[in-house]
Parts: sequence; structure tokens; C-alpha cells
Amino acid sequence: DVKVTQSSRYLVKRTGEKVFLECVQDMDHENMFWYRQDPGLGLRLIYFSYDVKMKEKGDIPEGYSVSREKKERFSLILESASTNQTSMYLCASSSRPYNEQFFGPGTRLTVL
Amino acid sequence: SQQGEEDPQALSIQEGENATMNCSYKTSINNLQWYRQNSGRGLVHLILIRSNEREKHSGRLRVTLDTSKKSSSLLITASRAADTASYFCATGSTDSWGKFQFGAGTQVVVTP
Repeated sequence: DVKVTQSSRYLVKRTGEKVFLECVQDMDHENMFWYRQDPGLGLRLIYFSYDVKMKEKGDIPEGYSVSREKKERFSLILESASTNQTSMYLCASSSRPYNEQFFGPGTRLTVL
Repeated sequence: SQQGEEDPQALSIQEGENATMNCSYKTSINNLQWYRQNSGRGLVHLILIRSNEREKHSGRLRVTLDTSKKSSSLLITASRAADTASYFCATGSTDSWGKFQFGAGTQVVVTP
């Protein structure tokens, strides 16, 4: 059974902290994505990666960075967390561009 | 800006009834996908329809695509309480390689 896992289901951090969200997929997929989901706004793409060490900005990259050192792992970094980054964060992967995406269970991040 | 926009925002029906939701988008697409999200969970892929296809079926799901109107519809026939979820359309634009735009979703409640 294919799987995308995220390091935490729930996370509470303080303003100004550095936050790491980890995502791992076991399907040998080339493409990985980070989204944030907010009520009424749907999913918005933060960053995506189509190969190891490659990254592309999505629609809302400000305040975030990413790292992909290994094919199976894609990390989202909040350099200095702010309250407006409180959200549900979803990681996804796909075998090719435009193919179906497989999602992780999500991390609900609260920044106090 | 969001590429896909679902309509209606919310839908409440009884078991056995059909549920129809629509998605409109703005640019040329490679394909359009529908996903389901149960409360607080990740998204699950339901069906993919390519830009050169007009209709597709999968079990109780029927998807249509009208590229001239830039719209798609998802029909769930003979709904069940387990179909209660949010449904999202996602469009893969030919202008933005490999990126998908998700709408805000349609929240469907099926009552027994």
C-alpha cells in the first residue's frame, strides 16, 4: 500500500521559532508538494520539487523554505514562525507531473 | 488565485439521492482531477479526466468535462453516509508545468 507520511499530526510552536515539517514517501515518486489548507481557501501550493535538490516556488512561498536531499524526503521549513502560519499543512507526491497526487494525513500547526 | 472553483460550497442530501457538484477553471488544462477529503485527513484521489476526454466513470462516480466552458461536474449516484466529505477539483494547467490548482471545495453531508 502506497504511503506518504508526515512527521507530526499536531504541532504547537511559539512565534519566532524555527519549525521543520517532514514528509516521506515510499513510492519512489519524482515529484513532491507542500500545500497549506485554510477554511474557505482550499489548498494553496507553497513549494514543489520535481527532483532531488530541485525546488520550485508555488503560489505562496513567502515565509517558507524547503529541502530535498533525498528522493523520498521533502521538508518544509518555517524560518521564523508567525501566527498567520497557523494552518493545516499537507504533503503530496506524484510519479509524474500532472499525475494523481498521493497525500499524507496532514500536520495541523498552531503558532502561538 | 485559485484556478478551480467548486459550486455549491455545501450540499446536504439524504442517502440514496444523487449529489452533483461543479468546478470552473480559468486557463487551459492538461487534466482535471477530483479528490475527496474526510474531516481532518489528507486528500484521496477519486478520478482523473484528461483534456481530450468528455466523460469518465468510476463506480458510482461520473465526471464530465467541457473545455469550451472551462467546467467540470462530479456526480455521485446513490449516495451513502460514508460519502460525507469535502470534494475538491484540481486542475493541471498547461501554463504552469506540473502544478495543480485546487478549489475551495464542496462540503457534502449525506444523512441516513
